[in-house]
Amino acid sequence: NAGVTQTPKFQVLKTGQSMTLQCAQDMNHNSMYWYRQDPGMGLRLIYYSASEGTTDKGEVPNGYNVSRLNKREFSLRLESAAPSQTSVYFCASRREGQNEQFFGPGTRLTVL
Amino acid sequence: QKEVEQNSGPLSVPEGAIASLNCTYSDRVSQSFFWYRQYSGKSPELIMSIYSNGDKEDGRFTAQLNKASQYVSLLIRDSQPSDSATYLCAVNTGGFKTIFGAGTRLFVKA
Repeated sequence: NAGVTQTPKFQVLKTGQSMTLQCAQDMNHNSMYWYRQDPGMGLRLIYYSASEGTTDKGEVPNGYNVSRLNKREFSLRLESAAPSQTSVYFCASRREGQNEQFFGPGTRLTVL
Repeated sequence: QKEVEQNSGPLSVPEGAIASLNCTYSDRVSQSFFWYRQYSGKSPELIMSIYSNGDKEDGRFTAQLNKASQYVSLLIRDSQPSDSATYLCAVNTGGFKTIFGAGTRLFVKA
């Protein structure tokens, strides 16, 4: 039981490049989330997916797109990376009923 | 705007002491409350959940909830150097979103 997995662990991009962050969970959770974490600002929600086939914007969606590929997988895409998107990105899934979220190991992204 | 507030710290306690971490929230309809521990360079790890007023104990950890005062706290008894981490308070109002505080850094001195 791997829980929530994310790839890659580290990535360096140049301004304007694109990339997709991958996330998968094996806990059969319906809801999945993408957060970014910046020093002193805590976790901020980018997008979430309440169930397979649905996605919704969070607090900071600009510059990002998401795809809920199936129940297990939820990807985050940066179409044209900017230095302001340098951050640590966490994927999470939620256990229904108790609302507990479980996090993946994170992706540390640097945009030059 | 719905908010979750924590003192950023650092909170420094000697080994064996009780560490007390506090959190306030603004949305009165909040229903679920969580404490996460995050070691430097790692992801948040759920350590406590609390849903009703009062205390909930799990080993050396006790979560306390007071909905009237919109206040939730985490007590760590017999603090150990391995408890040194950032502790995130999180609040859910019953929907799909959970709001996280910015965290309190705890240092336990050996």
